[in-house]
Amino acid sequence: QQPVQSPQAVILREGEDAVINCSSSKALYSVHWYRQKHGEAPVFLMILLKGGEQKGHEKISASFNEKKQQSSLYLTASQLSYSGTYFCGTLPSGTYKYIFGTGTRLKVLA
Amino acid sequence: GAGVSQSPSNKVTEKGKDVELRCDPISGHTALYWYRQRLGQGLEFLIYFQGNSAPDKSGLPSDRFSAERTGESVSTLTIQRTQQEDSAVYLCASGRDYSSDTQYFGPGTRLTVL
Repeated sequence: QQPVQSPQAVILREGEDAVINCSSSKALYSVHWYRQKHGEAPVFLMILLKGGEQKGHEKISASFNEKKQQSSLYLTASQLSYSGTYFCGTLPSGTYKYIFGTGTRLKVLA
Repeated sequence: GAGVSQSPSNKVTEKGKDVELRCDPISGHTALYWYRQRLGQGLEFLIYFQGNSAPDKSGLPSDRFSAERTGESVSTLTIQRTQQEDSAVYLCASGRDYSSDTQYFGPGTRLTVL
């Protein structure tokens, strides 16, 4: 039931790009993306509502394919500050219960 | 003005004791969420409040867990007869509206059950 994220972990050099995928088995109303650094609370990155939209936030953007029940987070020209664990939070249609993905650990090296 | 606050920041308790965790959301936020995060794990949704109403309590792990919210302000999460498996960080988040808005997280309460 938990959305599956891929890859589980990724190591990048500064300036490289990465894509993190989130795949759900349920029809989704919305997808949220968060980044969590070790020992800190998650920080919201963006929300995508059903409709197949794509959003951007500085060098971080995301897409949501409602029909495939998938979302992808795109990190371009990565910076050291991008290091952390990325979670997708999904809201299945017709429910009030958010279900979070398995997480992707990302490390950016200088 | 301030962000979401939670208290206590750390709580160590003995197995079988009751604990109460508090969350102060951002003023004006009608939506309030409780999550649990075990060490090295992802976020586990517990309960959501719209105002002081909780439409879905199915995320609470057992009947030892309960939560309430006063109006559109403070919420408390109570765990009765704590077990070692309850040890985790309990996170609270608030938002202006459910489902379509940013969730702002508090710093969490780290609960350790001995």
